[in-house]
Amino acid sequence: GAVVSQHPSWVICKSGTSVKIECRSLDFQATTMFWYRQFPKQSLMLMATSNEGSKATYEQGVEKDKFLINHASLTLSTLTVTSAHPEDSSFYICSARDWEYRGSMRETQYFGPGTRLLVL
Amino acid sequence: GDSVTQMEGPVTLSEEAFLTINCTYTATGYPSLFWYVQYPGEGLQLLLKATKADDKGSNKGFEATYRKETTSFHLEKGSVQVSDSAVYFCALISPQGGSEKLVFGKGTKLTVNP
Repeated sequence: GAVVSQHPSWVICKSGTSVKIECRSLDFQATTMFWYRQFPKQSLMLMATSNEGSKATYEQGVEKDKFLINHASLTLSTLTVTSAHPEDSSFYICSARDWEYRGSMRETQYFGPGTRLLVL
Repeated sequence: GDSVTQMEGPVTLSEEAFLTINCTYTATGYPSLFWYVQYPGEGLQLLLKATKADDKGSNKGFEATYRKETTSFHLEKGSVQVSDSAVYFCALISPQGGSEKLVFGKGTKLTVNP
């Protein structure tokens, strides 16, 4: 259980185009999903928190008009990189929050396999 | 704020060697602790977790025990395999921390040679 998928796994696009990345929780409902960016040989950088039915919360320094997030259902969040430029090339990873009761409600984030974006 | 410190490596071992990757944390209250593994070119996979003091998480031969007295969650495996070569991230979520964010360590790259 607790599987998260991402699509596409790889995308190459021309500078100036927009790219949409999908994140799906396959076997659980996730009211909250997260979008991360990872640079080579580094840890993950949280970009934004995606909440079903409401606006995303962006981390400081992340342009919300550049990285559009839509969490349209309990199993799907999308990240659209608008007017992509070469500096947007990166590895984008989403996660979905699941809850379980262990004396109190405890959360675990399950990650997708990532999407590698290359902007030419 | 909450933080995670893990040995940065890289760590290089021979097959069947014993592995320890140290992880210590600073957090408000009683955080949940996690180890994630990232194989080359892939996303993160949850390896194991623990939600309260003295809990032991285990999976695929890996173990880690939640030690509140030393604020540690060291990852161990008795006999590593070449297929264990990956980057390992220690992480926490603190329910009382006022933030829903997962706090990561910087990651430890493990290479296991045949």
